[in-house]
Amino acid sequence: GQNIDQPTEMTATEGAIVQINCTYQTSGFNGLFWYQQHAGEAPTFLSYNVLDGLEEKGRFSSFLSRSKGYSYLLLKELQMKDSASYLCAGLNQAGTALIFGKGTTLSVSS
Amino acid sequence: KAGVTQTPRYLIKTRGQQVTLSCSPISGHRSVSWYQQTPGQGLQFLFEYFSETQRNKGNFPGRFSGRQFSNSRSEMNVSTLELGDSALYLCASSWPQDEPTGELFFGEGSRLTVL
Repeated sequence: GQNIDQPTEMTATEGAIVQINCTYQTSGFNGLFWYQQHAGEAPTFLSYNVLDGLEEKGRFSSFLSRSKGYSYLLLKELQMKDSASYLCAGLNQAGTALIFGKGTTLSVSS
Repeated sequence: KAGVTQTPRYLIKTRGQQVTLSCSPISGHRSVSWYQQTPGQGLQFLFEYFSETQRNKGNFPGRFSGRQFSNSRSEMNVSTLELGDSALYLCASSWPQDEPTGELFFGEGSRLTVL
């Protein structure tokens, strides 16, 4: 199978740092993606890792370890507007489909 | 540049009916994917089309079908609707290369309620 697991919910406070973990079966994926989805809106692309290591993009960073089947999304200097669902997704080998985890709902409080 | 457009945005159907949803991708995008989103299961892949050909299909029953036209617009159809088909149906398009990078651009979705 191509299961992707991530925590259901997380909470944090403004200005803090939060790490959202994602684990998956090591075979079957050709890249790991993170999407953000605010309530009632469409998902939007955040980051993409195809090689091991850390990709940094402003306040958001994403890490991938292919041998461990592990990725995380790191959000720094949290803002209220970061309250959203964060979706981890693997790209299938053919590059024709993204397989999503069920998402992690992050609530940021003041 | 216009984004992905889905119609209708909301619709209500009864069990046993059928429904057709439409998606217009970003201009120049040739790959269109469809996803079903429910609170319990999250985003689940339905199928993907590229240049009018279905390249991949998820684990959904045959009641779910789709097609893509020469202008890259896509439709999906669900026949013999069941209560469990109530969901947000999201369409996404991606870059015009033959090998998509996986960065998808999603539409706002069509919210289907089956009574």
